Amino acid sequence: DTEVTQTPKHLVMGMTNKKSLKCEQHMGHRAMYWYKQKAKKPPELMFVYSYEKLSINESVPSRFSPECPNSSLLNLHLHALQPEDSALYLCASSLFQGISDGYTFGSGTRLTVV
Amino acid sequence: GQQLNQSPQSMFIQEGEDVSMNCTSSSIFNTWLWYKQDPGEGPVLLIALYKAGELTSNGRLTAQFGITRKDSFLNISASIPSDVGIYFCAGLSNTGNQFYFGTGTSLTVIP
Repeated sequence: DTEVTQTPKHLVMGMTNKKSLKCEQHMGHRAMYWYKQKAKKPPELMFVYSYEKLSINESVPSRFSPECPNSSLLNLHLHALQPEDSALYLCASSLFQGISDGYTFGSGTRLTVV
Repeated sequence: GQQLNQSPQSMFIQEGEDVSMNCTSSSIFNTWLWYKQDPGEGPVLLIALYKAGELTSNGRLTAQFGITRKDSFLNISASIPSDVGIYFCAGLSNTGNQFYFGTGTSLTVIP
């Protein structure tokens, strides 16, 4: 299995809702990442987990809450989002954090906040 | 974060033409990557470069790691419609903690 699987593919949520994005990989990668991407812009790093521990938080608002329950799974819990949070949320993984071979990305979750 | 600028920002070319794009930074990087992103999908790794001056090919794609270590170049020969997408460069930070992505080059191939 050489894939990063993200669910759901699309999500529409109201500003008072609570929802979660899920990311799964079975490649034995020990680093996992959340990125946010606006249309025609590069991915922006949000969080990095290394060996299930939060390694980097790029000053992301607390309405985004990451969780890494085990080495294969990464969640992003969403609460009280704003319309400007609408974007493509990408999950990625790599064998280790900082490995120079690059990341494997999932297909993303297209989030719309109404 | 680090700023990586890609040029051109967008390209419209005829099928069969060759394409050149580049990525420049004010900082030195030890690894350069090139990704392609199709609409509604995640980026897919095309080529990785690890050494200044290195030239690496992947089919019709050729990429070079600039001698100054502050830039990288991607060439696509004999473009085809499925080359359409956004191409991103990425450089590995000196701390090795993360990759920084370039601003992207959008490629449109006209059949």
